[in-house]
Amino acid sequence: GQNIDQPTEMTATEGAIVQINCTYQTSGFNGLFWYQQHAGEAPTFLSYNVLDGLEEKGRFSSFLSRSKGYSYLLLKELQMKDSASYLCAVADSNYQLIWGAGTKLIIKP
Amino acid sequence: IAGITQAPTSQILAAGRRMTLRCTQDMRHNAMYWYRQDLGLGLRLIHYSNTAGTTGKGEVPDGYSVSRANTDDFPLTLASAVPSQTSVYFCASSDSAVSSYNEQFFGPGTRLTVL
Repeated sequence: GQNIDQPTEMTATEGAIVQINCTYQTSGFNGLFWYQQHAGEAPTFLSYNVLDGLEEKGRFSSFLSRSKGYSYLLLKELQMKDSASYLCAVADSNYQLIWGAGTKLIIKP
Repeated sequence: IAGITQAPTSQILAAGRRMTLRCTQDMRHNAMYWYRQDLGLGLRLIHYSNTAGTTGKGEVPDGYSVSRANTDDFPLTLASAVPSQTSVYFCASSDSAVSSYNEQFFGPGTRLTVL
């Protein structure tokens, strides 16, 4: 079966760094996406990885290891507005996105 | 219209009633999707359409139907609503359904309660 695992909830302090992990087992792999979803809102795209390594975009970075079926999203210099759920999704062999349940990130002052 | 719109924003529906959720995009995207999102679960694909005139079943299609008469519109119909269909429904679109880089853009969602 296809499976995406990520922690249910994490807590971090404003100004700090947090790493949200995602492991996956899917039928095929055509890229991994991270989305941000604020409470009561739609998911919005953050990053995309299809090759191994680190992709950096401002305060956010995403890492992929295809051999380990593993990715992480790194958020630096945390701000209160970063309080949200972070969704990991993998494009399978049919290019359909398989979604994790999301990680709720709580930022404390 | 900018992006994807959904209507209604929220709805309370009696069990057994028929309901159509509307979705319209103005980005000329080929592919469109309907998801449901329930607490503690990931987004689950209900139906999809790779291009106008074609539709396909996702992970949880039972009790739902879709049509894609043109590029812009992708309505989702619940023929006879049941309480287990209480959920938040998101419509999404992407430029292509068959490319690796398949960033999906989401509508604001419809919160549906079936009593």
